[in-house]
Amino acid sequence: EAQVTQNPRYLITVTGKKLTVTCSQNMNHEYMSWYRQDPGLGLRQIYYSMNVEVTDKGDVPEGYKVSRKEKRNFPLILESPSPNQTSLYFCASRFQGVGGYTFGSGTRLTVV
Amino acid sequence: EDQVTQSPEALRLQEGESSSLNCSYTVSGLRGLFWYRQDPGKGPEFLFTLYSAGEEKEKERLKATLTKKESFLHITAPKPEDSATYLCAVLAGGTSYGKLTFGQGTILTVHP
Repeated sequence: EAQVTQNPRYLITVTGKKLTVTCSQNMNHEYMSWYRQDPGLGLRQIYYSMNVEVTDKGDVPEGYKVSRKEKRNFPLILESPSPNQTSLYFCASRFQGVGGYTFGSGTRLTVV
Repeated sequence: EDQVTQSPEALRLQEGESSSLNCSYTVSGLRGLFWYRQDPGKGPEFLFTLYSAGEEKEKERLKATLTKKESFLHITAPKPEDSATYLCAVLAGGTSYGKLTFGQGTILTVHP
């Protein structure tokens, strides 16, 4: 089944403890992206990647890191999480050219 | 800066009562406009891509249209299972090619 897989689905962590949210897609998509979704603010892009080793900032990149060493994987790294990064995170992927993103099921992160 | 504004924020309909959702946008070099459906706690589900003014797409009770400044999602004879948040997003060209900007969404509730 064609899909974007995120792990974990739920995560509660403490301020300052480094964490990684994994994202993997099995559709051979070139583009991958991370979004966060907050009430009243909608979906906001954190980072996106146009291919292996090519990444760019979205609208809210502060406090996040990404890497794209393999085409299928695009992990999101929070080096020192803070409570304002409590949110629902989505990974998404699509083919090069113009087409819709396929989204993962989401990761609900709580930083206390 | 790319902007997407959706209206209304929330819409309550009776089953069978047709209506439209609006998405107004400003973007430099529109590459595509997307409609998604999102159920609570889940990732957005792709519905349509529109590329140029005058284009229309249909899927079951949904029909999306596009002008140079806005898009409409028409819902004909809705059913309770159409209840969801509907999201509009634009993909810009140029150097921000991978950047997808979302509107805040319209929460649709269809009562039986």
